[in-house]
Amino acid sequence: GQQLNQSPQSMFIQEGEDVSMNCTSSSIFNTWLWYKQEPGEGPVLLIALYKAGELTSNGRLTAQFGITRKDSFLNISASIPSDVGIYFCAGQGTDKLIFGTGTRLQVFP
Amino acid sequence: EAGVVQSPRYKIIEKKQPVAFWCNPISGHNTLYWYLQNLGQGPELLIRYENEEAVDDSQLPKDRFSAERLKGVDSTLKIQPAELGDSAVYLCASSPTPGVEQFFGPGTRLTVL
Repeated sequence: GQQLNQSPQSMFIQEGEDVSMNCTSSSIFNTWLWYKQEPGEGPVLLIALYKAGELTSNGRLTAQFGITRKDSFLNISASIPSDVGIYFCAGQGTDKLIFGTGTRLQVFP
Repeated sequence: EAGVVQSPRYKIIEKKQPVAFWCNPISGHNTLYWYLQNLGQGPELLIRYENEEAVDDSQLPKDRFSAERLKGVDSTLKIQPAELGDSAVYLCASSPTPGVEQFFGPGTRLTVL
């Protein structure tokens, strides 16, 4: 099935560093979502973006809805060990979510 | 408020055997989704229900997969017979209405030997 392109595929960073990841699509989406998935659990919604150009924050997380509506970016500032997990972007057209391939984040103390 | 409940959490079966997964969505959520998540990939939609009606099952391999949501609440996803390539995590999600935030369950990890 269709999957959006996420990069980087994985990141290994030190606690306190900032993190940036992005997601691109060949299709236009009306909504961009960012999820986090921890081992043995389902994805949990972090941020939802509803308008092209929108910049939204949730604590240390900031996400942007690209102007072209074909991409989105997620930044995590001052990373902490509990940020470890897999981050997925998802684009929503009509009623269907299309997920990205994921970015695996490891944070070392 | 209780989240989406799935059972079993883990299932190991031999190929050609049948298997079933159960999902109880969040109370009041009319829309229910089943996703397949292969290792190292994002979830992919298998089927979406609006109440008891399957409104999008285009990605469900209907030769071996079936699903039902008889009373518009709980749902069951079945595979018969299972193949080695079916080993994956099967996620259930629900939302109050389509196009709104989806809440995911913990998933059922299936291993087919």
